[in-house]
Amino acid sequence: GEDVEQSLFLSVREGDSSVINCTYTDSSSTYLYWYKQEPGAGLQLLTYIFSNMDMKQDQRLTVLLNKKDKHLSLRIADTQTGDSAIYFCAEGDPNTGFQKLVFGTGTRLLVSP
Amino acid sequence: NAGVMQNPRHLVRRRGQEARLRCSPMKGHSHVYWYRQLPEEGLKFMVYLQKENIIDESGMPKERFSAEFPKEGPSILRIQQVVRGDSAAYFCASSPYREGTDTQYFGPGTRLTVL
Repeated sequence: GEDVEQSLFLSVREGDSSVINCTYTDSSSTYLYWYKQEPGAGLQLLTYIFSNMDMKQDQRLTVLLNKKDKHLSLRIADTQTGDSAIYFCAEGDPNTGFQKLVFGTGTRLLVSP
Repeated sequence: NAGVMQNPRHLVRRRGQEARLRCSPMKGHSHVYWYRQLPEEGLKFMVYLQKENIIDESGMPKERFSAEFPKEGPSILRIQQVVRGDSAAYFCASSPYREGTDTQYFGPGTRLTVL
């Protein structure tokens, strides 16, 4: 079955770039998502990419996909204290028409002033 | 356009009681998903529904848990005879259903505490 793994913790200084990494296991075409969760809140969709793409950029966010290694990363430029949150990588399960999302355990990003 | 609504936001139950969690999807969305997040873990898929129909319940525990999405009204996740292990955050998501990517938008969650 699908499995999504993330590093648990990342600490950066305000103004630096943050890079959050994720690996997934499904070898077929799929959609890959990044969600942000602030304390006590729901999940906010940040961006997504289809597995036939290499890169997607949206303002301060850049998603890079290495299909060979099944490695996905989210880069946040000019990280702000308001970016402190848990970031989840998720993979759409192609066996269900991508309806079911498989989530990683989340990376806790801490941005210090 | 209001987002996905869930209520209650916090729910406390004693062991053996029933918990009913409600989810109203975004306007125009016909599909609802329920996920459970245990403390310090990622979200785990439970069930996927459209109006009056369960599409995929492969993540639902076989006993005590049920879900519905009636023709009128919100989707309901029902947990009977709750146990302490049911304590978690339960998130609902909705989508408009389109071929290919079907982006899911999440509600704020219901945090269930079982005493």
